[in-house]
Amino acid sequence: GAGVSQSPSNKVTEKGKDVELRCDPISGHTALYWYRQSLGQGLEFLIYFQGNSAPDKSGLPSDRFSAERTGGSVSTLTIQRTQQEDSAVYLCASSPVDWGYTFGSGTRLTVV
Amino acid sequence: AQSVTQPDIHITVSEGASLELRCNYSYGATPYLFWYVQSPGQGLQLLLKYFSGDTLVQGIKGFEAEFKRSQSSFNLRKPSVHWSDAAEYFCAVGPFQGAQKLVFGQGTRLTINP
Repeated sequence: GAGVSQSPSNKVTEKGKDVELRCDPISGHTALYWYRQSLGQGLEFLIYFQGNSAPDKSGLPSDRFSAERTGGSVSTLTIQRTQQEDSAVYLCASSPVDWGYTFGSGTRLTVV
Repeated sequence: AQSVTQPDIHITVSEGASLELRCNYSYGATPYLFWYVQSPGQGLQLLLKYFSGDTLVQGIKGFEAEFKRSQSSFNLRKPSVHWSDAAEYFCAVGPFQGAQKLVFGQGTRLTINP
C-alpha cells in the first residue's frame, strides 16, 4: 500500500490476556521500528528491524514484550500477560535505506 | 545520555500570529534533528529534518527550523499560523548505534485561538 498500515486501530483487552499488534510497512522499506506513546508522553523506542533481524531490542520494557518480522515485511508486536501500564498507543514506522520514517496511525491499546 | 527537551508542554497562539516551538537536545556528536507533527488520532508526519549544511531548514506547511550548535537547539518557527496547525509537535534526535533510532521530546501541544 501507499503508507504504513497498523491493525487493529483500537484494542481493548483484559488484564492478563495476550495481544498481537500488526504492522504492514511500505513495500520495499528495509527498516521497521516500533515505538510506544503513553498518555502525555513522547515516543519511547521499543525495537528496530533491519530485514527480518532485530539488531536493537533495547527498548522492550520487559520479557512480556516480543516482536518478529517475516519476509522482510509484516511485523507483529506481541504483549503477553498484559498489564494496565501497557496501555498506550503503539506506533510503527518504516524507512528505506536512506533516512526518513513513515509512521502508521498506530494501535491504541487499552488494558482494563 | 542523549535526550531531547521541549520546555513548553502547551502553547496557545492566535490565528495569524507567529509561532516558535523550542527544542533543546543533548547528543555526543553532530546530530540529525527532526520535527514531527501529530494530529489527533493520526500518526506522525515529518515536517522537516536537519542533517548537515545550511542551519536554516525549510519544511512542509510553511514551517522552518534553525539548528544552533552553540545552544544545542533546533527551534521550529512559522511566521503565521493557521487553525489547521493545531496539533502535537515532536522534536527528535538521532541516530544511535548506526540505526535510525530516534529519541523524541515529550511534545508540545499547540492550540490556535480564532
